[in-house]
Amino acid sequence: DVKVTQSSRYLVKRTGEKVFLECVQDMDHENMFWYRQDPGLGLRLIYFSYDVKMKEKGDIPEGYSVSREKKERFSLILESASTNQTSMYLCASSFVGRSTDTQYFGPGTRLTVL
Amino acid sequence: AQKITQTQPGMFVQEKEAVTLDCTYDTSDQSYGLFWYKQPSSGEMIFLIYQGSYDEQNATEGRYSLNFQKARKSANLVISASQLGDSAMYFCAMREGAGNQFYFGTGTSLTVIP
Repeated sequence: DVKVTQSSRYLVKRTGEKVFLECVQDMDHENMFWYRQDPGLGLRLIYFSYDVKMKEKGDIPEGYSVSREKKERFSLILESASTNQTSMYLCASSFVGRSTDTQYFGPGTRLTVL
Repeated sequence: AQKITQTQPGMFVQEKEAVTLDCTYDTSDQSYGLFWYKQPSSGEMIFLIYQGSYDEQNATEGRYSLNFQKARKSANLVISASQLGDSAMYFCAMREGAGNQFYFGTGTSLTVIP
C-alpha cells in the first residue's frame, strides 16, 4: 500500500520560531510537493522537488524553504514562523513526467502559530 | 488565468440522489490529465478518478464518473446514489503533458442530507 507520512498531524508554535515539517514517501517517487491549504483558496503550491537536492518555487514560496537530501524525504522549513502561516500543510508525491500519474498525499499537518 | 475553476463553493444533495460537481480547465497542451480528489474532514486527500485528454470514453470508478467535454474544457464529477459518507470537500486538478506540477481548483464542499 502506497504511503506518504508527515511528521505531525497537529503543531503549535510561537511567532519567530523555526519550524520543520517533514514528509516521507515509500513509493520511490521522483517528485515531492508541499502545499498550503486555506479555506476558499484551495491548495497553493509552496515548493516542489523533482530530484534529490533539486527544488522549484511554487506560487507562494515567500517565508518558506525546503530541503531534499534523500529521495524519500522532503522537508518544509519556516525560518521564522508568523501568524499568517497558520494553515493546513499537505505533502504529496508522484512519478515524474507522465500526465497519467496521480499525486499521493500525506495526512496533512495543521500548524497554528501563536 | 486560472488553470482550474470550480464555481460551486458548496453543494447539497439528498441521500441516494445523484450530484454533479463542476470543473472547467484551461490549457493549450494537447496532452493532459484531469483528476478528482476527495478530502473528508480528517484532512487526507483521496484520489477518486482520472481522465486523460486522449481518452474517448468517460472515466468511471464505481459510483464516480467523469463527464468529460473536451471542446468545452469541462470535466465534471458525477456521484451517483449519494451516501452520507460522501460529505467532504472535492477538488479538481490537472497535470499538463510531461510537466511535474499539478494545478488545483478551490474545491466544492458537498453535504449529503439524510
